[in-house]
Amino acid sequence: DMKVTQMPRYLIKRMGENVLLECGQDMSHETMYWYRQDPGLGLQLIYISYDVDSNSEGDIPKGYRVSRKKREHFSLILDSAKTNQTSVYFCASSLGTGTEQFFGPGTRLTVL
Amino acid sequence: QQKVQQSPESLTVSEGAMASLNCTFSDGTSDNFRWYRQHSGKGLEVLVSIFSDGEKEEGRFTAHLNRASLHVSLHIREPQPSDSAVYLCAMRENAYKVIFGKGTHLHVLP
Repeated sequence: DMKVTQMPRYLIKRMGENVLLECGQDMSHETMYWYRQDPGLGLQLIYISYDVDSNSEGDIPKGYRVSRKKREHFSLILDSAKTNQTSVYFCASSLGTGTEQFFGPGTRLTVL
Repeated sequence: QQKVQQSPESLTVSEGAMASLNCTFSDGTSDNFRWYRQHSGKGLEVLVSIFSDGEKEEGRFTAHLNRASLHVSLHIREPQPSDSAVYLCAMRENAYKVIFGKGTHLHVLP
């Protein structure tokens, strides 16, 4: 069963705390993505990973960093979270160029 | 200006009536368009992928692409209350990047 998983599904943190969002996929997809989704703004691309240790900034990378040490895992890290990083974060993966992206269920992060 | 614009923002239809959603885009060179559905609190699921002008049908979902008019639409035949969701149009901008519209909220009344 092909799937993208995200952990945790819900997270509440205080401003200044560090946040780690995890994403996994079992399809051996090369490319993985992190997006955030906010009302009125839609999906915005934070980072792309082309493969292990090969990452590229998306449209809104400021305040975020990523780590991909294994093809099946892609982590999003917020060092010293800010209240404006409250959002729903989605991870996605795709086989390669131009192919369909498979999305995880999302992580709802609240930064107080 | 938004590269992908969807209309209407919200649409209410009765069960069984055709639902039509629209998407206009700014770049006619893209050859890769998809429609996704997102139920409340869930991730995105792809409905239809279309890569050339014309029509593509996947079950009750039909996409029409007209790149000359910078327009792609989604038609849902015999919509059901379970089709109530946000529908997102997506256009591939380059090899790895996809641009999403802000979505149309579809409400299907029983």
